[in-house]
Amino acid sequence: DTGVSQDPRHKITKRGQNVTFRCDPISEHNRLYWYRQTLGQGPEFLTYFQNEAQLEKSRLLSDRFSAERPKGSFSTLEIQRTEQGDSAMYLCASSLASGAAFLRGGYTFGSGTRLTVV
Amino acid sequence: GDSVTQMEGPVTLSEEAFLTINCTYTATGYPSLFWYVQYPGEGLQLLLKATKADDKGSNKGFEATYRKETTSFHLEKGSVQVSDSAVYFCALSAASNTGKLIFGQGTTLQVKP
Repeated sequence: DTGVSQDPRHKITKRGQNVTFRCDPISEHNRLYWYRQTLGQGPEFLTYFQNEAQLEKSRLLSDRFSAERPKGSFSTLEIQRTEQGDSAMYLCASSLASGAAFLRGGYTFGSGTRLTVV
Repeated sequence: GDSVTQMEGPVTLSEEAFLTINCTYTATGYPSLFWYVQYPGEGLQLLLKATKADDKGSNKGFEATYRKETTSFHLEKGSVQVSDSAVYFCALSAASNTGKLIFGQGTTLQVKP
């Protein structure tokens, strides 16, 4: 397993367009997380899945954002009608669900998708 | 709500200098505490962790002790190397066991030869 993969690495889009990002977690990890990181800040939690169920969404996740994990494997994050304020690095991470396993290893992060809205 | 505060950066040190990056937190209950590192061009990696008060996490010469009385988890290293140049993030996971992490804003470390 090569870790958490995110695609694309970079995306430049015009304001008002829709974009979709993909995350492939480590295969045996049943939890998948999305975070957003702006320049000079730490990652901010957006949402997470356990298997295919979306269990928590941050208030940061406006109605223009939607995330799915249809078969409990890969996940997509879609942003509709992008705005310049959406420009950020979008990070995906995965982990095992058990508390002990999570505390042993923490997350495995992907390298992120950098979104620039022009 | 829960939060993490890190010292402002950048921190610039000469090779072999002693490093401290301060981290304090606010949380209800008994969170787990983490330090993540992000090397240039790479993703975030777990550096070390501590899950209960007085625990000391250590890895690659870095250490941090979970201090409940001062709500702190300061990162230290006795002798930094140029290869330690990176951004360091302190984070907590609340006791609810969702695994959600709350990060500090990050501290950039630059080590000069």
